[in-house]
Amino acid sequence: GQQVMQIPQYQHVQEGEDFTTYCNSSTTLSNIQWYKQRPGGHPVFLIQLVKSGEVKKQKRLTFQFGEAKKNSSLHITATQTTDVGTYFCAANTYSGAGSYQLTFGKGTKLSVIP
Amino acid sequence: GAVVSQHPSWVICKSGTSVKIECRSLDFQATTMFWYRQFPKQSLMLMATSNEGSKATYEQGVEKDKFLINHASLTLSTLTVTSAHPEDSSFYICSALPSLHGETQYFGPGTRLLVL
Repeated sequence: GQQVMQIPQYQHVQEGEDFTTYCNSSTTLSNIQWYKQRPGGHPVFLIQLVKSGEVKKQKRLTFQFGEAKKNSSLHITATQTTDVGTYFCAANTYSGAGSYQLTFGKGTKLSVIP
Repeated sequence: GAVVSQHPSWVICKSGTSVKIECRSLDFQATTMFWYRQFPKQSLMLMATSNEGSKATYEQGVEKDKFLINHASLTLSTLTVTSAHPEDSSFYICSALPSLHGETQYFGPGTRLLVL
């Protein structure tokens, strides 16, 4: 089945530093989604990338989809304590009969030191 | 829009009992719903795909007789953990795929199950 590798597993940064998490697949993805899960909470949808080479921004967050649609990254500029949580990428693949299925990466847990 | 609810939000039960978790799409119809399980410090693992009016499709390694799924309407899917044991303690999360233009899943808030 579809596998998605995500690195790093953990990242500790000083507040104000940048943060990046990477997602890789051995196969071409139809699209990729990113989620944030706060400690004790549930995953919250951040964004979906569909096009090859696509770059989308949400304030201090920048999402990229590789040209080959096999990798993606999430970059946070000047982290804040509110950015703490685990960031997951998820490959969205068509599973037939009009249905899509998500395969999640293992996630990157971000800690921000004030 | 696109709100998914889960009930209960957390449950503690004795070993051997059964627990039912409900997943509802509040403002849209969902032909397909998904059930995930997340153990502490791990990622979400898909357990099964629930299709309205038909049998659920279970992922490899997930016992269908232990995790009973019923998707009786376009807005409700239930997951019943039968004869729960401590190793079933986990965070169970559902998501719903809108019947119309369904490509993005909407996640419920999750149910924390603790089996004593």
